[in-house]
Amino acid sequence: DAGVIQSPRHEVTEMGQEVTLRCKPISGHDYLFWYRQTMMRGLELLIYFNNNVPIDDSGMPEDRFSAKMPNASFSTLKIQPSEPRDSAVYFCASSQGLAATYEQYFGPGTRLTVT
Amino acid sequence: AQSVSQHNHHVILSEAASLELGCNYSYGGTVNLFWYVQYPGQHLQLLLKYFSGDPLVKGIKGFEAEFIKSKFSFNLRKPSVQWSDTAEYFCAVNAGYQKVTFGIGTKLQVIP
Repeated sequence: DAGVIQSPRHEVTEMGQEVTLRCKPISGHDYLFWYRQTMMRGLELLIYFNNNVPIDDSGMPEDRFSAKMPNASFSTLKIQPSEPRDSAVYFCASSQGLAATYEQYFGPGTRLTVT
Repeated sequence: AQSVSQHNHHVILSEAASLELGCNYSYGGTVNLFWYVQYPGQHLQLLLKYFSGDPLVKGIKGFEAEFIKSKFSFNLRKPSVQWSDTAEYFCAVNAGYQKVTFGIGTKLQVIP
């Protein structure tokens, strides 16, 4: 398997624009996670899905953020409108389960810069 | 709610020095504990984990961590670091089937 795939790897956009980040989890993994990494706050869980259903979105910062998982092999994280404080690295991860015996596999991340 | 604190945000060591990175968690029940590593320009990968049994856990690349329940700690250690250990290290915790909570991370810089 190619691992978790994220696109784009880098995104530079202007404030107010819509940004869509994409993720393809590892085949057979039932859980998908979206994280945001910043210098100030470290690695924060934004939302996670189980079998394409959002389970916990309490980490989503505000209504400008939305995430979908239309099928088992694809998820998007959308920011509309984007703001400079959204600049961060966004990671997608997947796992076979939520228990500790199941490792989370991370994608390479998308580095977002909002000017 | 579970939380994780990592005390050192930035550590600088010379090669061959010993390493200990602190990690404390807050949760009253049974927990599972992890250390992840992020090498420069790469994604996070699992270094080691504890969920039961021997509290001294050995991971890849000579790393180990000890779970001390009475201290709510899971410190990461390595007796002799190498330049290639330069990375950011994240401690994480989850309780049962809850989501994993990550610490803020510790940047380790090893000077040749």
